[in-house]
Formats: sequence, C-alpha cells, structure tokens
Amino acid sequence: GAGVSQSPSNKVTEKGKDVELRCDPISGHTALYWYRQRLGQGLEFLIYFQGNSAPDKSGLPSDRFSAERTGESVSTLTIQRTQQEDSAVYLCASSFGRAHEQYFGPGTRLTVT
Amino acid sequence: KNQVEQSPQSLIILEGKNCTLQCNYTVSPFSNLRWYKQDTGRGPVSLTIMTFSENTKSNGRYTATLDADTKQSSLHITASQLSDSASYICVVSAVGNEKLTFGTGTRLTIIP
Repeated sequence: GAGVSQSPSNKVTEKGKDVELRCDPISGHTALYWYRQRLGQGLEFLIYFQGNSAPDKSGLPSDRFSAERTGESVSTLTIQRTQQEDSAVYLCASSFGRAHEQYFGPGTRLTVT
Repeated sequence: KNQVEQSPQSLIILEGKNCTLQCNYTVSPFSNLRWYKQDTGRGPVSLTIMTFSENTKSNGRYTATLDADTKQSSLHITASQLSDSASYICVVSAVGNEKLTFGTGTRLTIIP
C-alpha cells in the first residue's frame, strides 16, 4: 500500500504555542521512529516505538517533547511551548522491526517564529 | 562517541560524469552501513545496505564499497543524471544497538 505519510507538511507557529505532528506508518510495520533534521545537519533520533510502547525515548531533547502511538498505527509527536530552536524538519519512519530497513515519510517542516 | 563523517559536503558535476562520495565512521561494534538518497523536501530513501562481510554492493548506477578495517565507505555514481541531484546520507548502526547514526550528507548537484 501507501508509504509513510506525515501531516501537516508545513507548520508555522508562534513561540510558546503547542504543536502536534502526525505520522501514519506503513500498514503492518510494528516499529516507528521520529527524527529531527535541522538545516544543514544530520538526522537526530528522537524516539522509537515498538507497537504502542516506547522502549527508547533517549533522543527527546526536553520534557517539552512527547510522543504517543495508538492501535500500533498512528503516532503523534507533541511539542509544548515551542521555541525557535525547535524549528526543523521532523521525519517519521517505520519498519518491521528495529533491525529492519526503515522507510521514511516526507517530513513536517516546523517553523517557530 | 559514535560518529559518521561524510565528504565532500557538496559537489557539483556535469551530467554524464561519474562521482564518488566518501563516508568515514567510528561506530563500534559495527553492524551495518546504509546509503540513503534524500531529494529536496522528501524523506530519505535507502540505496544500499552493507554488512561486515560485504565489500561491494551495486544498485543500478550506484555502487557502494565498504572497508571495515579502515572504517570507510564510498558511494560511486556512474553516468550521472539530473535526477541524481539530492543529498546522499551515510548511516551506520552498531551491534546490539540498532539505533542509527547519521552523517550530515553530501549535497550533489548535477548540471546539464
């Protein structure tokens, strides 16, 4: 079926506002990942889900960042009280398992003004 | 600290020419190395994945090499096309910790 999809594709928000980013993984993929890509930098790992559980949250940069996954499908990444340094492209990927190839979505470009 | 370094940072070549991109890593113990292509505004797409025992792997006009002793990899693109313009990202994972370490990428531009 379809690949990984993310919404919105672009989000502009004011500093201090909360934002929610959505990821729809490939059907049947039990593993889901969130990454952050700042301009000119490599991808930074944020969080990994296996099913609806998140055994690895080590990349979340602060307690303003949280994520959840429901129905072993859709995931949302929430950033509270956004700061300008949160501006980046947020990429979601899914796979059959952590050791399997990851398929990436197109990303959400977040701009905090 | 696990690191992946890529060179050059950017490259411009004429359509039809060949080019080689480099990747050096310090990830240990090594599990596998992947090359991804990322078109502007899109997510990365896997080109090749290589394990410790593999020295060369091809995918069409893309050929990746791996030297696990020197911890170096290269991606060679033959007869470049305008559609090859993209960022090429080297990604390495460690045994027992499948978290990926990403390089910052090489921005390749093909000009007609």
